[in-house]
Amino acid sequence: TQLLEQSPQFLSIQEGENLTVYCNSSSVFSSLQWYRQEPGEGPVLLVTVVTGGEVKKLKRLTFQFGDARKDSSLHITAAQPGDTGLYLCAGVGEETSGSRLTFGEGTQLTVNP
Amino acid sequence: GAGVSQTPSNKVTEKGKYVELRCDPISGHTALYWYRQSLGQGPEFLIYFQGTGAADDSGLPNDRFFAVRPEGSVSTLKIQRTERGDSAVYLCASSPSPGLLYEQYFGPGTRLTVT
Repeated sequence: TQLLEQSPQFLSIQEGENLTVYCNSSSVFSSLQWYRQEPGEGPVLLVTVVTGGEVKKLKRLTFQFGDARKDSSLHITAAQPGDTGLYLCAGVGEETSGSRLTFGEGTQLTVNP
Repeated sequence: GAGVSQTPSNKVTEKGKYVELRCDPISGHTALYWYRQSLGQGPEFLIYFQGTGAADDSGLPNDRFFAVRPEGSVSTLKIQRTERGDSAVYLCASSPSPGLLYEQYFGPGTRLTVT
């Protein structure tokens, strides 16, 4: 069974602070995705990383895939209240059919003005 | 264009009843996925369809759960003899094709409450 452990589970910070969310596993993933979910809505894809060591930037968000493709991180610079939401990492296992996703438990981020 | 839609948005049922949850994927998407999200948790895979056939149903928790996609478009998740532990948000996602780089587009979910 492939598991993804996310930390921290909850994060409450002030506007302008930086933060990092971690996603770790003992399994190797073919790809790793980060989603953001708002209350009452489904997750929305932020980024997909597929190559070990890959770094992708999306405005103030920086995503990194570990060299061994077992872990990933999401770093937000100068957080804003609009960044508030549930952040989920999800991976596709190397031997998984059809790109079914294994999700972490999520990090609930609250950015206070 | 329209995204993934799910009906109903909320469903309250009594323990032991039968329920059906519907998913309308994005037109033309061949891959369709069902996930279940319990409060405070990430989504959990249930079943994946490629076209009309269930390509992977290994996430269905037991034989009370069944899903169909008879024409390769709309899918229905069916739960028999519902239990309180089935209460969760049921999410549907579709993708143009089952590949690593193909995004899964999620619907808003159906919140199922079993009393």
